[in-house]
Amino acid sequence: ETGVTQSPTHLIKTRGQQVTLRCSSQSGHNTVSWYQQALGQGPQFIFQYYREEENGRGNFPPRFSGLQFPNYSSELNVNALELDDSALYLCASSLDLHYEQYFGPGTRLTVT
Amino acid sequence: GENVEQHPSTLSVQEGDSAVIKCTYSDSASNYFPWYKQELGKRPQLIIDIRSNVGEKKDQRIAVTLNKTAKHFSLHITETQPEDSAVYFCAARTSGTYKYIFGTGTRLKVLA
Repeated sequence: ETGVTQSPTHLIKTRGQQVTLRCSSQSGHNTVSWYQQALGQGPQFIFQYYREEENGRGNFPPRFSGLQFPNYSSELNVNALELDDSALYLCASSLDLHYEQYFGPGTRLTVT
Repeated sequence: GENVEQHPSTLSVQEGDSAVIKCTYSDSASNYFPWYKQELGKRPQLIIDIRSNVGEKKDQRIAVTLNKTAKHFSLHITETQPEDSAVYFCAARTSGTYKYIFGTGTRLKVLA
């Protein structure tokens, strides 16, 4: 298993609420990417953080936002939750931008 | 926009046979192509990757080939075993943005 961890494991929220998901990158890794994986689909790129700065963003609305901290851990925040936000949220870390990425176990978010 | 097509969506093979999964990418600026294996309820696991300056890479029973001209890359698994059963995802990373685009996945079943 990789050293990437995520919390919580599972989460149930109501439509309209806000949620914060957390990712602890593997030791020494300065790059974290976040993905949304709907059931039966491939991961969809949300955004990437490199040395505390957002380094790229996929086709997700502004209510998806994030942060990366000085220790390179990261948060994904989703405001005004919608039913379609129900998915597995994965983070992946890499040693640097050019290196391979390793995934965490994911957070399963259910919006009712 | 950027896109990665993956075929087939499902693949059943007899134990000991070979399996081939193919992907096509659209962004000619893509320069890194990883393959992930995802077992049910688990995180995607990097199994092999190839960079654009290499045409082929092999790791024991797994190999990946890349045709930059045709924008195709393929995963080859030889001597398949039941534990190879999983969903396999290809991905393409674009140079400059370091954004990953994933394929839609191939469900591989190895029949004993």
